[in-house]
Parts: sequence; C-alpha cells; structure tokens
Amino acid sequence: AQSVSQHNHHVILSEAASLELGCNYSYGGTVNLFWYVQYPGQHLQLLLKYFSGDPLVKGIKGFEAEFIKSKFSFNLRKPSVQWSDTAEYFCAVAGNTGGFKTIFGAGTRLFVKA
Amino acid sequence: DTEVTQTPKHLVMGMTNKKSLKCEQHMGHRAMYWYKQKAKKPPELMFVYSYEKLSINESVPSRFSPECPNSSLLNLHLHALQPEDSALYLCASSLQVISTDTQYFGPGTRLTVL
Repeated sequence: AQSVSQHNHHVILSEAASLELGCNYSYGGTVNLFWYVQYPGQHLQLLLKYFSGDPLVKGIKGFEAEFIKSKFSFNLRKPSVQWSDTAEYFCAVAGNTGGFKTIFGAGTRLFVKA
Repeated sequence: DTEVTQTPKHLVMGMTNKKSLKCEQHMGHRAMYWYKQKAKKPPELMFVYSYEKLSINESVPSRFSPECPNSSLLNLHLHALQPEDSALYLCASSLQVISTDTQYFGPGTRLTVL
C-alpha cells in the first residue's frame, strides 16, 4: 500500500539552528515527491517538489530536500531557521499508481523560538 | 491570479440540514479536488474532478455529493451529516490530474456538525 511516514510530529528549534525533517515513503511505481507548508492561519502551499533530474531540490525560503531512491526518503533541510518558519510541514507523494492521487504524511509541527 | 477561494469560511449545521460548500479558481486549471482534514491530521482526499468529470471518489459516503458545474467552480453538497464529519474541508486545483502537478489549496471551510 502507498504510504508516507514523517518521523517527527513536533520539532522545537531556536533561531539559526539547522533543520532536517524526515520523510519516507512506500510506493510501487515512479514517484513524485512534494513538501507542502501550512503557516499559522494560512492555507497549504508548495515548498518544493521533485519529479526527475537532480535529486537535490531547492525550494522557496531557503529550503531544500534530497531524494534518496535507495532509502525511499525525501528529507527536508534548512541550514538556519527563522522564527517565521514556524509552521506545519507535510511530505506528500503522488504517482501513476492509484489514479495520480496525492498521499500526505501526518505532518510535522515546527516551532522556532525567537 | 493564483488563488483558490472557498466559501463559507465557517459553517455550523445540524444533522438534518442541507448545505453546500463552494470553491472557485480562475487559473485555468482543469483538475479540482476536495480534501477533508481533521484536527492534527493530514488532508485526506475525497474527490477528484478532471475536465469537469468525476475522476476519483475515495469511497466517500453519499451524504457528501460533489458537483463541478464548470471548469472554475466546484461544489460540495452536504446532507444528513454526522458529528464526526466535523472537519476542515479543503479545495485544491491543479493544471491537470497528473502526478507532477502542484496543487493549489484554498483556505478551507471549517465545518461543525451539531
């Protein structure tokens, strides 16, 4: 069955700390991977996505993610977080199996202390 | 215009009421989605429309009835809901129903069923 697993449900960091949020997926075909972010009071929006090419993907606001096929992982990173990065982060997978539907992970709530 | 709008923002209804949620986009997207998001959970896909035709129904109870009157509009008709249907209902759209496409989400309608 297709699934997405996010390892950390809650993360608390101080400003300037480095961030890595884990995401592993289980999928039986070619995958496309996404990180979406939901800032407090705002709607879900795309942070970055991978569907082919360079496995290191750069997104908005200094975020990047690395697709490691052998590990079925797509971890999100940022070298130095800011208070404004406080949000909920969702990893998602979509592919040709199952009618192209997108499956979301459970989400990671990040709180950055000023 | 990269916005998906949803009305109403909040809705309280009794179990015998009939109400509708509305979603609109003017980005020329031909795929539209309904998701249900319970508190502290990821969005769960309910329905997908592709070129105004229902493409995916994730075994949603018949008390939820989607409708896509044209390429810009998506409705969700609600009838005889249960208290456990209380949730945030998210609408999204994408260029097409393909797995590489980014989904653009609306702010959601927060539904409470009494």
